[in-house]
Amino acid sequence: AQSVTQPDIHITVSEGASLELRCNYSYGATPYLFWYVQSPGQGLQLLLKYFSGDTLVQGIKGFEAEFKRSQSSFNLRKPSVHWSDAAEYFCAVAAGGGGNKLTFGTGTQLKVEL
Amino acid sequence: DTGVSQDPRHKITKRGQNVTFRCDPISEHNRLYWYRQTLGQGPEFLTYFQNEAQLEKSRLLSDRFSAERPKGSFSTLEIQRTEQGDSAMYLCASSLLGPNQPQHFGDGTRLSIL
Repeated sequence: AQSVTQPDIHITVSEGASLELRCNYSYGATPYLFWYVQSPGQGLQLLLKYFSGDTLVQGIKGFEAEFKRSQSSFNLRKPSVHWSDAAEYFCAVAAGGGGNKLTFGTGTQLKVEL
Repeated sequence: DTGVSQDPRHKITKRGQNVTFRCDPISEHNRLYWYRQTLGQGPEFLTYFQNEAQLEKSRLLSDRFSAERPKGSFSTLEIQRTEQGDSAMYLCASSLLGPNQPQHFGDGTRLSIL
């Protein structure tokens, strides 16, 4: 069965600083990987997805993620964080395609200091 | 595209009562998913439908839980004889059929058991 690990429960960065959120997955075949963002009391918004092809994927709000098969990682990055990026971020993996059930990590809570 | 809609947004009930939640997916989305999210955790898969057929149920879905999607459009999730441990956010997501189709989430129903 697939699993996702997000090692950092909380991260604090200053506005304007760069950001990297870590995600490691476990899955026997080629994974389908996602990053979602959740604001308090809200549902999840898709930031970006990786299915195949170019291992560096671009998403919304200036986020990008890089798939590294050798490290089983799919880290999320942003070159310059804005105060509005404060939220919880979830990495997820789907088995057998994006239409199948998602397995999520426990999330990383991002705080942005002004 | 009006997004995934869930109703109610909040539900407070006494232990032992039955509750029902509704999810309206994005129109023409074949697949509909239910997830449960407890505080400090990522969403956990409960069940999903392809059109009106319920294709998979998690072992988290005890016999007190039942989900339907009678005409392949909206779905309901019912919990009978609620328990304290049922307190959570219940999230609905929908997607088109196909390996490259991501899931789109609603804002969830927050259930609180007194």
